[in-house]
This record gives sequence, structure tokens and C-alpha cells, in this order.
Amino acid sequence: AQSVTQLGSHVSVSEGALVLLRCNYSSSVPPYLFWYVQYPNQGLQLLLKYTTGATLVKGINGFEAEFKKSETSFHLTKPSAHMSDAAEYFCAVRLNAGGTSYGKLTFGQGTILTVHP
Amino acid sequence: EAGVTQFPSHSVIEKGQTVTLRCDPISGHDNLYWYRRVMGKEIKFLLHFVKESKQDESGMPNNRFLAERTGGTYSTLKVQPAELEDSGVYFCASSQVKGGNEQFFGPGTRLTVL
Repeated sequence: AQSVTQLGSHVSVSEGALVLLRCNYSSSVPPYLFWYVQYPNQGLQLLLKYTTGATLVKGINGFEAEFKKSETSFHLTKPSAHMSDAAEYFCAVRLNAGGTSYGKLTFGQGTILTVHP
Repeated sequence: EAGVTQFPSHSVIEKGQTVTLRCDPISGHDNLYWYRRVMGKEIKFLLHFVKESKQDESGMPNNRFLAERTGGTYSTLKVQPAELEDSGVYFCASSQVKGGNEQFFGPGTRLTVL
């Protein structure tokens, strides 16, 4: 079974500051890892994903995340926060079992990001 | 291209009533998933269809929940009878069978059981 832990249910940063949202996972097999964002009154939107290959992945809106197998982490970062980044962010894991390209996502608890002017 | 749509966006019902939620996936997506987020908790998987077949229904909470996907297009999730603990936001997602790593999510249905 897999699980995901997001450290910090709320993170507050100033506009222009570094954004760091933490995600740790546990999985019995190599996982696929995802970050989703949910803006108010909208569905979840994929920010970025790690499947195989390069461990530093870049996503939309200037976000990136690094897969660190030794630390079982997949932290999300953005060098400079913008007011429009205020939203709830979800880390998720999916088993990479038998090379299947589908399967359920297991989510973390979510982190609400607030950006102050 | 239209995204995943869900209907209704909000539903308020009384305990013991029946509610049916609908999800229309992206055209051509054979995988369809239901998830639920109870207030203050994480988003949890309910079940997964591949076309009209249930691939995985390990997350369904109990037999008051019935999901269908007749014809492999849209899906419905019926709760009968509804209980207070069923309140939450129900999300639907879809993905392609090939290269289907990304699941595309709908806006969700907020269900309130009074």
C-alpha cells in the first residue's frame, strides 16, 4: 500500500518569496508522483508529474519538483511566489505496477498556500 | 475540447434521501474514476471504470453507494439512503488508456446531507 504525507496544512509566503511545499511518500514499488493544484471553485489541475527519467521535473506556472528516492520525497518549489499562486496543492502517488498506465491516485492531505502582498 | 463535467455542482438533501451524481468524462477517455473528499480529510479513491467495467471498487465505503457506467460513456454515482457522513465533495476524473498517466478532474459535486 502507498501513502502520502504533506507537511503543513497551511503555508504562507510573501509575494516574491520562495515557495516550498513538502511531500513525502511511502510505496512498496517505484511510484509515479504528481502535484495537483485546485483554485477556488475549480477542479484539480495537474502541475507536474514524475514517472521515469530525470528526477527534477518542471511544471506549469514556474513550479518544479525533485524526486529524491533516498528521502522518499517529492517537494514542490517555485523561486518567486505570485499572488495568483494562492490555492490548495495536493501531492499524489500512483503505483507503477507492471507498467500499467492507469490506476488510483493516493493523495496527501493538501496544503493551502496563501500569498501576501 | 471539453473537460470533465459533473452535475450537479451542489446538492443538499436530508438524511435518508437518495441522490445521484453524474460525471461526463472527456470524450475518448476509457478510464473514469470517482474520488471523495470529506471535510478536513484527504481526497480518497472510490472506484475506477475501464469503459463500462469496474476495474477497482476497493474504495467504495459500503453498499449504499452504487456506481454505473452504462455504454462506457458517462457515469452515475447513487447514494441510497444518504447518511450524514456522506457529506463531502465528490470528484470525477478521466484518463486515456494509453499514455494515461494524467487524470483530468472535474470541478466536483458538493454534497451536503442534513
